[in-house]
Amino acid sequence: AQSVTQPDIHITVSEGASLELRCNYSYGATPYLFWYVQSPGQGLQLLLKYFSGDTLVQGIKGFEAEFKRSQSSFNLRKPSVHWSDAAEYFCAVGSNDYKLSFGAGTTVTVRA
Amino acid sequence: DAEITQSPRHKITETGRQVTLACHQTWNHNNMFWYRQDLGHGLRLIHYSYGVQDTNKGEVSDGYSVSRSNTEDLPLTLESAASSQTSVYFCASSDGAGVSGANVLTFGAGSRLTVL
Repeated sequence: AQSVTQPDIHITVSEGASLELRCNYSYGATPYLFWYVQSPGQGLQLLLKYFSGDTLVQGIKGFEAEFKRSQSSFNLRKPSVHWSDAAEYFCAVGSNDYKLSFGAGTTVTVRA
Repeated sequence: DAEITQSPRHKITETGRQVTLACHQTWNHNNMFWYRQDLGHGLRLIHYSYGVQDTNKGEVSDGYSVSRSNTEDLPLTLESAASSQTSVYFCASSDGAGVSGANVLTFGAGSRLTVL
């Protein structure tokens, strides 16, 4: 069965600074990888996804993620954080049976 | 615009009562899922369905049931609510066309359930 680990429970970053959120997955085959964002009181919104091909994927809101098979990682990055990026971020791994497994999430706080 | 609607958004109930959370999607998606979200656990899969009359258990299905009588709806029923089922519940759906589409979930806004 697949699983996801997000090592950082909470990250605080200054507005304008760069952000990197870590994600490690466990899956026997080629994984389908996702990052979702959840604003307070809202559902989850897809930021970006990786299925195959270029290992650096671009998403919405200026986010990108890089798939590194050798490290079983799919870290999320943003060069310059805005106050509106304060949210909870979830990494997920999918499979051929269409079920997604989610990590525990990382809460991002943006300070002025 | 197509959407996925959950109701009620907030509910308080008592231990032992039966509770049903509704999920209705107008995407015409084949696949539908129920997750619960708890601090420190992220989202955990409760039940899922690949189409009408199909239902399957997820990793935390004990005490929950679902039924799929049409494409649009997947209600989640708590047979006898317990305090451990206090959580935020999310319904999601995905297109059944191909692995890439089927893996991209669209989520509802969530239902917060408190069991006293």
